[in-house]
Amino acid sequence: NAGVTQTPKFQVLKTGQSMTLQCAQDMNHEYMSWYRQDPGMGLRLIHYSVGAGITDQGEVPNGYNVSRSTTEDFPLRLLSAAPSQTSVYFCASTLTGEETEAFFGQGTRLTVV
Amino acid sequence: EDQVTQSPEALRLQEGESSSLNCSYTVSGLRGLFWYRQDPGKGPEFLFTLYSAGEEKEKERLKATLTKKESFLHITAPKPEDSATYLCAVQGAGTYKYIFGTGTRLKVLA
Repeated sequence: NAGVTQTPKFQVLKTGQSMTLQCAQDMNHEYMSWYRQDPGMGLRLIHYSVGAGITDQGEVPNGYNVSRSTTEDFPLRLLSAAPSQTSVYFCASTLTGEETEAFFGQGTRLTVV
Repeated sequence: EDQVTQSPEALRLQEGESSSLNCSYTVSGLRGLFWYRQDPGKGPEFLFTLYSAGEEKEKERLKATLTKKESFLHITAPKPEDSATYLCAVQGAGTYKYIFGTGTRLKVLA
């Protein structure tokens, strides 16, 4: 049982490049979400999904796109990377999204130069 | 606006020295308050969910309590392996969004 798997673990991008952070879960969870974690800022919600085909914005959605074509996968796309997007990104899933514990991936450390 | 504030930002304890971490929150109808532990370079790991004022939950040396405005994470006789960042999060009624605090970095010295 792998839980939540994020790839890659580390990535360096040049300003203006695009990339996709991958997230997969094998627990048949309905709810998945993406956070970024910056020093002194805590975890901030970027986008979330309550099921396949349904996504919505969190606190800091600008510059990021998501889609949810399957229950298992929830990729996060950076359209045109900027230095301000240098951060550690976490994907999380919960069974229903209501009052349930979240399972987090190991994170992706992204540096934009 | 839903908000979570954790204090202190950092805490150093001697092994065996009990203490408490605070999580103050404002939310429109609390659906749940969550505590997580995060080790360096890892994702947060779930500890507790609290739903209503007066509720308490325990796990080994940790005990979480909840009032209408704040939650405490009590650490009794901590050990060096309890060193981590402890995160608090809330979910309000009618929303799927979780709001996290900035965490308390705990260091327990042997």
